[in-house]
Amino acid sequence: DSGVTQTPKHLITATGQRVTLRCSPRSGDLSVYWYQQSLDQGLQFLIQYYNGEERAKGNILERFSAQQFPDLHSELNLSSLELGDSALYFCASSPVGTSGSREQYFGPGTRLTVT
Amino acid sequence: AQSVTQLDSQVPVFEEAPVELRCNYSSSVSVYLFWYVQYPNQGLQLLLKYLSGSTLVKGINGFEAEFNKSQTSFHLRKPSVHISDTAEYFCAVSVINDYKLSFGAGTTVTVRA
Repeated sequence: DSGVTQTPKHLITATGQRVTLRCSPRSGDLSVYWYQQSLDQGLQFLIQYYNGEERAKGNILERFSAQQFPDLHSELNLSSLELGDSALYFCASSPVGTSGSREQYFGPGTRLTVT
Repeated sequence: AQSVTQLDSQVPVFEEAPVELRCNYSSSVSVYLFWYVQYPNQGLQLLLKYLSGSTLVKGINGFEAEFNKSQTSFHLRKPSVHISDTAEYFCAVSVINDYKLSFGAGTTVTVRA
């Protein structure tokens, strides 16, 4: 158990809909990352938040957005869903700012199926 | 930008045999390297990391990896595998001033009795 929790575990929805994925980082970790894992794209970095502020952006679609709240949990919002958005979405956390702390701890993921 | 290439997509191996998973990276700046394992229907678990110092790093479950700067490689090895090592293995890199991980395509290891 990494200490990172993600809800829900599975999500099935229809095209055009909007969903919210939630992540709680490990206790004490200030940074949260979102990744997408799909068969055709592999593991892709989407976005990073550090202590409530956006720190880095990767291959995140404009239909997707995220935020990190004062209690450090994060939400990833996916809207106008398409079939191609079906994937496993991982959240990871890390201390960041602590010397040598580069590793990220991953949650179990949310499997999104768009029908 | 940095990138990672995992040279083998699938590696079948017999139980108690050694295994090596190959990883090459590309970056114009100093790198930090990681190996993660993903068991079926689970998240990613950190096996080991190279941040600095000794180029031979030891991780969990008997795995080790060697950082070779001249060959831009970070190959993962285990001298004797178990059935429970059946999983997908990912090599990842991050660089200075950028904490995001860039992953390779993954190597599926299947251990047979």
